[in-house]
Amino acid sequence: AQKVTQAQTEISVVEKEDVTLDCVYETRDTTYYLFWYKQPPSGELVFLIRRNSFDEQNEISGRYSWNFQKSTSSFNFTITASQVVDSAVYFCALSGANRDDKIIFGKGTRLHILP
Amino acid sequence: DAGVTQSPTHLIKTRGQQVTLRCSPISGHKSVSWYQQVLGQGPQFIFQYYEKEERGRGNFPDRFSARQFPNYSSELNVNALLLGDSALYLCASSLAWRQNYEQYFGPGTRLTVT
Repeated sequence: AQKVTQAQTEISVVEKEDVTLDCVYETRDTTYYLFWYKQPPSGELVFLIRRNSFDEQNEISGRYSWNFQKSTSSFNFTITASQVVDSAVYFCALSGANRDDKIIFGKGTRLHILP
Repeated sequence: DAGVTQSPTHLIKTRGQQVTLRCSPISGHKSVSWYQQVLGQGPQFIFQYYEKEERGRGNFPDRFSARQFPNYSSELNVNALLLGDSALYLCASSLAWRQNYEQYFGPGTRLTVT
């Protein structure tokens, strides 16, 4: 069975600090996809990144970076120089590669950026 | 371009009643998925429709049903509401019907059952 664990329920940091959100997953599939979504107070989930299991290169997009490590089944997300607008709930998610596989979300990490 | 829209925004219903939630996908997207998000949890998959056919169903009772119309909009129906159905219901659209593609979410419908 597939599972996504986000052990950090809530994190608070002061603006401009760096913060890392942890994501650990479980799957028996050799091919799978990992995602991060952001859910601001308005409610809609905003897509941040999709990564397949064969691409272990770290990715950087502006202040956001992702560290994918297959050896530890982790897909961690780092925000550099955090801003108040980064305050949101962040979800890590996992999906298999088969056509009928569905996406499974973790419970999310609520991030507070304090001014 | 308009994103995914959902209506209504909020809804209050009584136990035993029935509710219909509506979703319009992004123009050109033929896949619509429904998720239930209970407070403090991640979204849980309910249904997926692609080209008006059901492509997947999550672990939800038969009280939950959905359909997709020729214009790709979708409705989620929940019968015989229970207190535990109180949640944020999210709709997501996608170009592809596989769920391992990027999905675009609407703002959700907040359902409260009293």
